[in-house]
Amino acid sequence: AQSVTQLDSHVSVSEGTPVLLRCNYSSSYSPSLFWYVQHPNKGLQLLLKYTSAATLVKGINGFEAEFKKSETSFHLTKPSAHMSDAAEYFCVVSTGGFKTIFGAGTRLFVKA
Amino acid sequence: NAGVMQNPRHLVRRRGQEARLRCSPMKGHSHVYWYRQLPEEGLKFMVYLQKENIIDESGMPKERFSAEFPKEGPSILRIQQVVRGDSAAYFCASSPPGRGQIEQYFGPGTRLTVT
Repeated sequence: AQSVTQLDSHVSVSEGTPVLLRCNYSSSYSPSLFWYVQHPNKGLQLLLKYTSAATLVKGINGFEAEFKKSETSFHLTKPSAHMSDAAEYFCVVSTGGFKTIFGAGTRLFVKA
Repeated sequence: NAGVMQNPRHLVRRRGQEARLRCSPMKGHSHVYWYRQLPEEGLKFMVYLQKENIIDESGMPKERFSAEFPKEGPSILRIQQVVRGDSAAYFCASSPPGRGQIEQYFGPGTRLTVT
């Protein structure tokens, strides 16, 4: 069975400082992993995805994530936060089928 | 190429009424997925459909909920006799054939409020 755990329900950073959103997964098979962002009252936008190619994945808006099999992690990072990054972020796992399992989400606050 | 379209964006129903949520997938996408997001929670898979076929409905409540994706027209998620607990955001996603596990595109969602 697969599962996703987002270790922080809320993260608060100052504008211009690094962002780290943590995600651990559990999967019996080689997973595909995704990060999505959801702005208030909006749909979900795909930030990046890992599908067994390079372990360091670059996404949109300066975000990137590193797949670490030994740690079963897929943490999302960004070197410098911007006010527009304030949103909810979801880590998602998919394992060889169409079903995707969403984490509970991490709400990112960015202080001026 | 328009994205996934959902309508209405907001829907208010009284308890006992029916709710119909529509989803038009991206052009060229023949696979549709429905998810429900309760307040302060992540999205939960409900059902996966291809044209005229329900492939997996393991996430659908056993009663009152149904989904279809006809040969022509949008996919419909239907909730009969709504209750307050049905209040949630319902998201639709679509994918090209054979790529659902790596490529799902989400619509803006329909926010259902049951009064």
